[in-house]
Amino acid sequence: EDQVTQSPEALRLQEGESSSLNCSYTVSGLRGLFWYRQDPGKGPEFLFTLYSAGEEKEKERLKATLTKKESFLHITAPKPEDSATYLCAVQNTGTASKLTFGTGTRLQVTL
Amino acid sequence: KAGVTQTPRYLIKTRGQQVTLSCSPISGHRSVSWYQQTPGQGLQFLFEYFSETQRNKGNFPGRFSGRQFSNSRSEMNVSTLELGDSALYLCASSATGEEQYFGPGTRLTVT
Repeated sequence: EDQVTQSPEALRLQEGESSSLNCSYTVSGLRGLFWYRQDPGKGPEFLFTLYSAGEEKEKERLKATLTKKESFLHITAPKPEDSATYLCAVQNTGTASKLTFGTGTRLQVTL
Repeated sequence: KAGVTQTPRYLIKTRGQQVTLSCSPISGHRSVSWYQQTPGQGLQFLFEYFSETQRNKGNFPGRFSGRQFSNSRSEMNVSTLELGDSALYLCASSATGEEQYFGPGTRLTVT
């Protein structure tokens, strides 16, 4: 069974204080690893897809990286508008479209 | 391009009733997936439809069902509602089944 574990559960940063969120996964065959951002009361917003170990993707202050066992979401010089829950999910080559999600990291960025 | 739309946004039902939720995917997307999000279980995959056929199914009881129409719009139905069915129901559309774009969700409350 596919499993995704995210840490920490919650993270409080000051504006400008860089950090990383962790996503550890177990999957028999990785089709893709996905990062989403979710604001309260809204649906998840797609951020990145990573397909193979060593791959990296960047978007503004966010950078996602992938190894064979985990993925990191690096947040550089965060701003208060980066406050949200960040979700990690995997797709298995055997179950195609099904996304298995972690429980997320709640990020709060303060002034 | 318009995003994924879901109706209704909020719904209150009584135990034992049934409910139908609707999802209109992004134009051109043929894959529609449904997820249930609760504080305790997080995001869990219900099922996926592609070109009117159920392509994948999660571990939910038969009370949860869905369908997809020729214009790719999808509906999910929950019969004999239970208190534990209270959740945010999210629809996601995709061109291929990989990168999935979520709608705002339908908040279902069962009393």
